[in-house]
Amino acid sequence: DTAVSQTPKYLVTQMGNDKSIKCEQNLGHDTMYWYKQDSKKFLKIMFSYNNKELIINETVPNRFSPKSPDKAHLNLHINSLELGDSAVYFCASSQVEKGLYEQYFGPGTRLTVT
Amino acid sequence: AQTVTQSQPEMSVQEAETVTLSCTYDTSESNYYLFWYKQPPSRQMILVIRQEAYKQQNATENRFSVNFQKAAKSFSLKISDSQLGDTAMYFCAFMKLISGGYNKLIFGAGTRLAVHP
Repeated sequence: DTAVSQTPKYLVTQMGNDKSIKCEQNLGHDTMYWYKQDSKKFLKIMFSYNNKELIINETVPNRFSPKSPDKAHLNLHINSLELGDSAVYFCASSQVEKGLYEQYFGPGTRLTVT
Repeated sequence: AQTVTQSQPEMSVQEAETVTLSCTYDTSESNYYLFWYKQPPSRQMILVIRQEAYKQQNATENRFSVNFQKAAKSFSLKISDSQLGDTAMYFCAFMKLISGGYNKLIFGAGTRLAVHP
């Protein structure tokens, strides 16, 4: 069983479109995250949710809207896609309340905006 | 603000040899974790090893060990008996410990390691 899964793994779309990436974790963790990895492989936090509540929002454009319907899911919706949004997006999770701070990552979604 | 620096963009090593990847960080915090993650060509981010700042003993996971020098703010990764499967990008990451989901990872720029037969 995959611990942290993301769909889709690849996403190719045109500028101006709206797209969503889904993430699910079956680890029973209480905190989920979105990270962005740019073309130079640099990884940066975008959002974190703890028990469905938005905790971290790292000055990400308003076009990015995360949603956590329950503790096991964290989706990322992107409006009006731009060329600069092309990147790999990683979902991750951890069990913060039990002091288990390791973050486990999904396989990533490579988004290409043309 | 915390920063993480990996000064070696690329490294190579022969199979079965030992290699050390460097990482330094800057923080005024006293309570934090440090991690090494591996990203092979498959793109998956894999946790290699973690170190709690309050622990003096260096963490070890099989062939992977760290040299944690808290005063020097240094956290290097040693890979012993390198294997072809160790070929990957390695990221050093810092995490300040805060309750309630504020625990973001701050990553270095990565070191690309190539293991040659």
